[in-house]
Amino acid sequence: EDQVTQSPEALRLQEGESSSLNCSYTVSGLRGLFWYRQDPGKGPEFLFTLYSAGEEKEKERLKATLTKKESFLHITAPKPEDSATYLCAVQEGGSEKLVFGKGTKLTVNP
Amino acid sequence: DAGITQSPRHKVTETGTPVTLRCHQTENHRYMYWYRQDPGHGLRLIHYSYGVKDTDKGEVSDGYSVSRSKTEDFLLTLESATSSQTSVYFCAIRDYTRGDTQYFGPGTRLTVL
Repeated sequence: EDQVTQSPEALRLQEGESSSLNCSYTVSGLRGLFWYRQDPGKGPEFLFTLYSAGEEKEKERLKATLTKKESFLHITAPKPEDSATYLCAVQEGGSEKLVFGKGTKLTVNP
Repeated sequence: DAGITQSPRHKVTETGTPVTLRCHQTENHRYMYWYRQDPGHGLRLIHYSYGVKDTDKGEVSDGYSVSRSKTEDFLLTLESATSSQTSVYFCAIRDYTRGDTQYFGPGTRLTVL
């Protein structure tokens, strides 16, 4: 059965303090690994899709990387507006289902 | 913005009553999905649709039914709501033009008393 585990559950950073979020997964035949950002009371907002080990994608202060067993979301010099819950999801080849982790709640203090 | 609206955005209902949630999209996407989000769980797929009148079950489909009579609308029905169906419900579409990725609507918060 597909499983996605995100760590840590919660993370507090000072503004400018870089860190990484982890997403470990087990899936038979990865079709894609997805990162979303979710603000309170809103729907998940798409950030990145990664398809194969070694792939990296960047957007502003965020960089996502992928290995055969895990993905990292690196946050460089975060700002308070980066505070949100970050969700990781995997999709198996031939399946329509996204399997989500429980998320990491990031708080960036000014 | 994926052009998705959900209605109602908030609803409080009594156990045993029927409830229908609506997802509307404006961009003619073929695939549409219903997920629920609960504390301590990730988002979980309820049902999805791959075209008008074409639907399939997800991992938590018991107690839910869906219908899609037109491309733009995907309805989720709780035939007889229970307290365990209190949740936040999200609709999503799959966009082939943007990396074949699922994009989510704003959600409906449903409380069953």
